[in-house]
Amino acid sequence: DGGITQSPKYLFRKEGQNVTLSCEQNLNHDAMYWYRQDPGQGLRLIYYSQIVNDFQKGDIAEGYSVSREKKESFPLTVTSAQKNPTAFYLCASRWGSEKLFFGSGTQLSVL
Amino acid sequence: QKEVEQDPGPLSVPEGAIVSLNCTYSNSAFQYFMWYRQYSRKGPELLMYTYSSGNKEDGRFTAQVDKSSKYISLFIRDSQPSDSATYLCAMSARRDDKIIFGKGTRLHILP
Repeated sequence: DGGITQSPKYLFRKEGQNVTLSCEQNLNHDAMYWYRQDPGQGLRLIYYSQIVNDFQKGDIAEGYSVSREKKESFPLTVTSAQKNPTAFYLCASRWGSEKLFFGSGTQLSVL
Repeated sequence: QKEVEQDPGPLSVPEGAIVSLNCTYSNSAFQYFMWYRQYSRKGPELLMYTYSSGNKEDGRFTAQVDKSSKYISLFIRDSQPSDSATYLCAMSARRDDKIIFGKGTRLHILP
């Protein structure tokens, strides 16, 4: 059953803590993306990766970090430098086309 | 002027009505146009994809692109309560270019 798996579904962060959101895909797609969604704000691009071991900053990369050591995996770390991390985070993949395929999302909240 | 403008709604219509959702854009280089449907707290799913100008129909859904007016539309015929969701327009200039999203329109179909 091909798709994109995000975990966990809900995540809570304490002040000063780093947390990592998981994103795994078995679609064999080269490109992967992380978006942040706030109410009434649409989707904002955090980071993207076109190929393994390479990634670029999106529009709102400050306070976030990523890695792309495997084609299937693109984890996102929300660092303590991100002062307003509460949001719905979406991972997506894309291969040779304009179409993005999304995971089911992770809701991150601050304790 | 924002690159992509979309009325956030909410838009409430009775079951069985025809729904019209719209986006305007400012970048004349956009060639690839998409509509995504997002249910609450879920990842967006690709609904319609159109290249350049013209119409595309898929079941109850029709996507229209008017590049001369920089205006795209999604029509839903015989609307159902299950169509209640947020609809996001998205577009890009090239196949591997960044995809720009509208903020989404919340649609409610009233039984």
